[in-house]
Amino acid sequence: GAVVSQHPSRVICKSGTSVKIECRSLDFQATTMFWYRQFPKQSLMLMATSNEGSKATYEQGVEKDKFLINHASLTLSTLTVTSAHPEDSSFYICSARGARTLGGTQYFGPGTRLLVL
Amino acid sequence: QQQVKQSPQSLIVQKGGISIINCAYENTAFDYFPWYQQFPGKGPALLIAIRPDVSEKKEGRFTISFNKSAKQFSLHIMDSQPGDSATYFCAASINDYKLSFGAGTTVTVRA
Repeated sequence: GAVVSQHPSRVICKSGTSVKIECRSLDFQATTMFWYRQFPKQSLMLMATSNEGSKATYEQGVEKDKFLINHASLTLSTLTVTSAHPEDSSFYICSARGARTLGGTQYFGPGTRLLVL
Repeated sequence: QQQVKQSPQSLIVQKGGISIINCAYENTAFDYFPWYQQFPGKGPALLIAIRPDVSEKKEGRFTISFNKSAKQFSLHIMDSQPGDSATYFCAASINDYKLSFGAGTTVTVRA
């Protein structure tokens, strides 16, 4: 149980285009989903937190107009990188958290490697 | 500013040896301390977690030791195996919400 999937696993795009990454909780309802970015040999940096049906909360320094997050259902959240540039190339990872009564543990997806040319 | 400080940055251990990774925190409101294991190109996987009402938790070869007064916790990997070679992250959160991650420790187990 507690499986989180991401799609696509890797994507290459041209500078200026937009890319959408999906995060799904496959066997539980995720009341909250988190989006992280990880650069090579570095730790995970939280970008934003989204609760189902609410607007995402972004961490300081993260451009909300550039990284659009939608949490339309209890099993799906999407991250859209708009007008991507080479500096947006990174490993994007989502996590999903069920209700605290179920333990509240965050389960992570396998990540999406984004390369912007 | 990292809320959880992790050391060492990397370590090498012989097969069968013990790997020890340490973390320290300042925020006494933290009430959940998980450890994650990450292999290259993969997402982190929850390894073991502890809450501050216990001082130690063991699951198989992995043990968390927790010292509330010192605001420190550590991961011990007993009988280290080559398959344990990975990056390990400690983390902390309040009310199981946002996780603050340590910088990570790359563990290499030599056969």
